[in-house]
Amino acid sequence: DGGITQSPKYLFRKEGQNVTLSCEQNLNHDAMYWYRQDPGQGLRLIYYSQIVNDFQKGDIAEGYSVSREKKESFPLTVTSAQKNPTAFYLCASTPYLGANEKLFFGSGTQLSVL
Amino acid sequence: LAKTTQPISMDSYEGQEVNITCSHNNIATNDYITWYQQFPSQGPRFIIQGYKTKVTNEVASLFIPADRKSSTLSLPRVSLSDTAVYYCLVMDSNYQLIWGAGTKLIIKP
Repeated sequence: DGGITQSPKYLFRKEGQNVTLSCEQNLNHDAMYWYRQDPGQGLRLIYYSQIVNDFQKGDIAEGYSVSREKKESFPLTVTSAQKNPTAFYLCASTPYLGANEKLFFGSGTQLSVL
Repeated sequence: LAKTTQPISMDSYEGQEVNITCSHNNIATNDYITWYQQFPSQGPRFIIQGYKTKVTNEVASLFIPADRKSSTLSLPRVSLSDTAVYYCLVMDSNYQLIWGAGTKLIIKP
């Protein structure tokens, strides 16, 4: 079945540590997105990518970094510069950027600080 | 800049019809309005999408007036399993996706 796989489901970060969240899709979609969701809140865009080796900052990119070396993969690194990283992180994809097509979401990663 | 507004929460009872309205201004003139459902600790799931007038699928209907400044998601005969957060999603004129803050729907027995 086609879809998006996020891992791990739960992740814990120590002070000063960088952690990387994985997102893999087999939908052959060009565009991929990372969202952050705080408890009881909506989705806020961190980064997005419309094609391999290209990505753009979203509304809350500070303290995060991404890469897009392969079409299928769009990992998100939460750096030590992100002082309040505890949140639910969601990865999504669409066939191409600018398409308000059906967004496919992964099942999310809950990141907590130790 | 496009902006969406939804009620924060709504309550209803099993078997009732529920209507959730999202107001959205400055959206792209040629793009869809989409609604998603999200359960706790899961990713949002697509419910329905439309451009104008009325769209119906097996789980919901979507009503969009001619001016496209709002949309109403209609859930017929809700059950307890429809308790979730519902989001509207639009695209602005810069091709940026704009999410509503979500409506927490609670269905009571």
